[in-house]
Amino acid sequence: DAKTTQPTSMDCAEGRAANLPCNHSTISGNEYVYWYRQIHSQGPQYIIHGLKNNETNEMASLIITEDRKSSTLILPHATLRDTAVYYCIVREVSGTYKYIFGTGTRLKVLA
Amino acid sequence: GAVVSQHPSRVICKSGTSVKIECRSLDFQATTMFWYRQFPKQSLMLMATSNEGSKATYEQGVEKDKFLINHASLTLSTLTVTSAHPEDSSFYICSARIVGEQYFGPGTRLTVT
Repeated sequence: DAKTTQPTSMDCAEGRAANLPCNHSTISGNEYVYWYRQIHSQGPQYIIHGLKNNETNEMASLIITEDRKSSTLILPHATLRDTAVYYCIVREVSGTYKYIFGTGTRLKVLA
Repeated sequence: GAVVSQHPSRVICKSGTSVKIECRSLDFQATTMFWYRQFPKQSLMLMATSNEGSKATYEQGVEKDKFLINHASLTLSTLTVTSAHPEDSSFYICSARIVGEQYFGPGTRLTVT
């Protein structure tokens, strides 16, 4: 079973920040949180990942709570091209590092 | 960098025939590749983990004799759907692992008639 829970869908106005929450209350101390997104009928695209500290790259910021039981992906200035399904994944720490996808959040950016 | 390709992008086959899907890492070597299946409006479901030079590890409920996986080189893994039936129609996606991150192919849409 997936280790994460996310809201089914969200809307965001174009140009505004999109904040996508993820709950991973059973995360282990050395498991990473990964975020991917999938635009319709394409393969998932890597966005960002983190362990404890907040992370930022050219696409997004990742805020992880101090207890690591939840995180938020922030798209600072959403565009129509950011409309996609966003997946939060807790990655295995050993072995094959496989991903178990949850249901994801369907983000719709509105003009 | 870290580009993964799949071939074909779309395939239509008749019920009872077999179809092979290729997954290639174009600019890196991947000892581990993964195969996923995705039905319409659903999430990705991990089918199997493919390790170069060894037998694939299948997830619970996935028939290993129906979904044959071969990972003969560090840049190529293949998934063969044997004796395909209409219920096998789906979007099949592969990924290749670099350290802890997976890079995904564009997917193959299989339609069985």
